Amino acid sequence: NAGVTQTPKFRVLKTGQSMTLLCAQDMNHEYMYWYRQDPGMGLRLIHYSVGEGTTAKGEVPDGYNVSRLKKQNFLLGLESAAPSQTSVYFCASTDSWTEAFFGQGTRLTVV
Amino acid sequence: GNSVTQMEGPVTLSEEAFLTINCTYTATGYPSLFWYVQYPGEGLQLLLKATKADDKGSNKGFEATYRKETTSFHLEKGSVQVSDSAVYFCALSLMNRDDKIIFGKGTRLHILP
Repeated sequence: NAGVTQTPKFRVLKTGQSMTLLCAQDMNHEYMYWYRQDPGMGLRLIHYSVGEGTTAKGEVPDGYNVSRLKKQNFLLGLESAAPSQTSVYFCASTDSWTEAFFGQGTRLTVV
Repeated sequence: GNSVTQMEGPVTLSEEAFLTINCTYTATGYPSLFWYVQYPGEGLQLLLKATKADDKGSNKGFEATYRKETTSFHLEKGSVQVSDSAVYFCALSLMNRDDKIIFGKGTRLHILP
């Protein structure tokens, strides 16, 4: 009964370092999303996927890359982290018109 | 294009007050409509939903009615509690494969004891 699982939950990076955030869902959903949420702000869509092997840009894609090699996993990569990427990152999955399920978030600090 | 507009916050109310958070939408087609809630330090979770016109979604004392004629899905609760303090997001999704879920910007709600 896991739903959507994000790893890691917390991370501190130095400027210029790289990392990958993993999102895994066990509901066989087609759609997966990566959002960022800054303090006091709403959600901003980074990238999304409408199925295995597909990815698309959201409203704030710069500095991030994604991959969806397996249907259940959606990876978010930061190749060269910047302080502006300090945020809380949320992954979500859904089947077109049904409700979205969210992970608990990854709190990333870039120093 | 598809979009969701919800009232800006923060909204501050006293306990037991009546709550309305407005949400209107623009969509090509017939969307499903949702309200999500985010408690401090947590991810979003579904509060209620409606899948067709005139449907009423309800949960935990909250209600919202899908109004096609006014393209609205306003969230209401008759008597709020301190524990309702959270951020509320209105959202829509469509049945087309290439359409993604669309969220409003969120409304922060503070309930004073």
